[in-house]
Amino acid sequence: EIVLTQSPGTLSLSPGERATLSCMASQSVTSNYLAWYQQKPGQAPRLLIYGASSRATGIPDRFSGTGSGTDFTLTISRLEPEDFAVYYCQQYGSSPLTFGPGTKVDIK
Amino acid sequence: QLQLQESGPGLVKPSETLSLLCTVSGGSIGSSSSYFWGWIRQAPRRGLEWIGSIYYSGGAYYNPSLKSRVTISVDTSKKQFSLRLNSVTAADTAVYYCARQRNWNNQIGWSDPWGQGTLVTVSS
Repeated sequence: EIVLTQSPGTLSLSPGERATLSCMASQSVTSNYLAWYQQKPGQAPRLLIYGASSRATGIPDRFSGTGSGTDFTLTISRLEPEDFAVYYCQQYGSSPLTFGPGTKVDIK
Repeated sequence: QLQLQESGPGLVKPSETLSLLCTVSGGSIGSSSSYFWGWIRQAPRRGLEWIGSIYYSGGAYYNPSLKSRVTISVDTSKKQFSLRLNSVTAADTAVYYCARQRNWNNQIGWSDPWGQGTLVTVSS
């Protein structure tokens, strides 16, 4: 099973700042089959990125994903008030599908 | 716009069976080979855990950690798929989500969209 580690656990930033979130895998993720999700309190996760770098439909271009192998990054170029949430990475390159523990982006 | 909605009891006694239904609207389960249909749970203060997924033809795939207790089935005519988890304990208390999952090169891919989730508490 691939274990995903996300850092930092919490990121305290102000609106307009850049957020950089890390996701590291215990072994190489096949074909960069990695997704990112955003979850707000009381809501289901929402898909942001798939295939490590492809934005899902309707996702603003301030969200971008990069990386390959075992190291992946989600960048939010300029934080909007609605971006403060928890972000999860998930690999789907091998079974079982696994998720990271999440990074909380909160307002500084 | 495709939507998914979970339904089922919010309280289950220990050692009994948890049963949930996911109803799909705004689209069809059986019309496309492009998707799987899956269940994911999120225990309080814990992360997300994939439970299992099913293809429209009925082929199911499970997380090995739960495989001995899980059954996922599909009824394409009713646009529903279901989850049964037997011999539940307090550790199975969680918000349970259903989701559509992309079939990517014959593998279960990313989840989008998700249902709103339903909290199931295991307690006597």
